[in-house]
Amino acid sequence: AQTVTQSQPEMSVQEAETVTLSCTYDTSENNYYLFWYKQPPSRQMILVIRQEAYKQQNATENRFSVNFQKAAKSFSLKISDSQLGDTAMYFCAFMGTNAGNNRKLIWGLGTSLAVNP
Amino acid sequence: KAGVTQTPRYLIKTRGQQVTLSCSPISGHRSVSWYQQTPGQGLQFLFEYFSETQRNKGNFPGRFSGRQFSNSRSEMNVSTLELGDSALYLCASSLTSANTGELFFGEGSRLTVL
Repeated sequence: AQTVTQSQPEMSVQEAETVTLSCTYDTSENNYYLFWYKQPPSRQMILVIRQEAYKQQNATENRFSVNFQKAAKSFSLKISDSQLGDTAMYFCAFMGTNAGNNRKLIWGLGTSLAVNP
Repeated sequence: KAGVTQTPRYLIKTRGQQVTLSCSPISGHRSVSWYQQTPGQGLQFLFEYFSETQRNKGNFPGRFSGRQFSNSRSEMNVSTLELGDSALYLCASSLTSANTGELFFGEGSRLTVL
């Protein structure tokens, strides 16, 4: 079974500093997608960044970037120049492609990130 | 463009009752997925509807059901509520299919079962 593990339940970082959130996954599939979603307190979950497994280049969205290590099955999220608005629960998610239309997102349990002023 | 709207935002029920939650997707989005979120289990996929048809289903008992209307609005129903059904229920929409993994979420309906 495919699983996603986020080993850091809680993290904190000072404003303007850089923080890295860890995510590992387990799968036997070769082609898949990985995601980081952000859920601010009492607000809706939003997609932060998406990575396709067949692309070697790490995805980047402004201050958010990933370190995708396919062989190690690792997909970490780096947040640069942390801002107070980055305070949120961050979820790593995996989606394989073998299931065709029955694909499902498999979610980690999340990392609660607090950005301190 | 309005986002995904879920109603009600909060509700309290007692064991044995049933509940219906509503989700209005982003205009033009045809796929609606439902998730149950709890601190211990994280996000668990319930089902996905596309063009009024259930396309995909998670591993939940038959007490959990849903439907989608012709305007893409969706409802989910939980019958014979149990204490363990207390959770945040999230609805997510996508333009064509949840297969892309790119979902737009609502703020959720927080259900408390007493």
